[in-house]
Amino acid sequence: GQQVMQIPQYQHVQEGEDFTTYCNSSTTLSNIQWYKQRPGGHPVFLIQLVKSGEVKKQKRLTFQFGEAKKNSSLHITATQTTDVGTYFCAGREGGSEKLVFGKGTKLTVNP
Amino acid sequence: NAGVTQTPKFRVLKTGQSMTLLCAQDMNHEYMYWYRQDPGMGLRLIHYSVGEGTTAKGEVPDGYNVSRLKKQNFLLGLESAAPSQTSVYFCASSAWGTGLANNEQFFGPGTRLTVL
Repeated sequence: GQQVMQIPQYQHVQEGEDFTTYCNSSTTLSNIQWYKQRPGGHPVFLIQLVKSGEVKKQKRLTFQFGEAKKNSSLHITATQTTDVGTYFCAGREGGSEKLVFGKGTKLTVNP
Repeated sequence: NAGVTQTPKFRVLKTGQSMTLLCAQDMNHEYMYWYRQDPGMGLRLIHYSVGEGTTAKGEVPDGYNVSRLKKQNFLLGLESAAPSQTSVYFCASSAWGTGLANNEQFFGPGTRLTVL
């Protein structure tokens, strides 16, 4: 079945440093979504990417979808303590009703 | 709007006991999902529903049953709880359609279940 691999599992940075998490699917995706989960909280939707090679920005966050629609990345510029949490990618195949989540990257930021 | 709500928030069970987790959404969403979250394992889909009266198995369905008698509610049952079912359970819902429009999943606050 479809698998979504996400690396790294953990990332610890100093405030102001950049951060990137990568997501790779075993199959071609119709779209990919990114979620953020704050400590003790629930996952919250950040963005959806649909088109091959798509790049979207949300303030300091940049999301990319690969040309082959099998990989994606989230880059945070100049991290802040408010960025702390676990970031999940979630891929959807074809017309599937289901999302397959990566295991997440837990980001900690040292002030 | 309350969004997605889950009850209870916490529960401790003994091995072999049964319980039902309730998820309710007020967004008129067609799709509803149950996930479990374990350390280092991400979110794993247990069961899901694409509409009232329908259910389907996800990645880890064994030991769980679900029902969707009303569109706004999705129930997750554990008939005979086992320590391996100790986890945080999240319910989610999303609008119908897998087209270009966002079909984000809205998550509830979670239920932390411990099975002794």
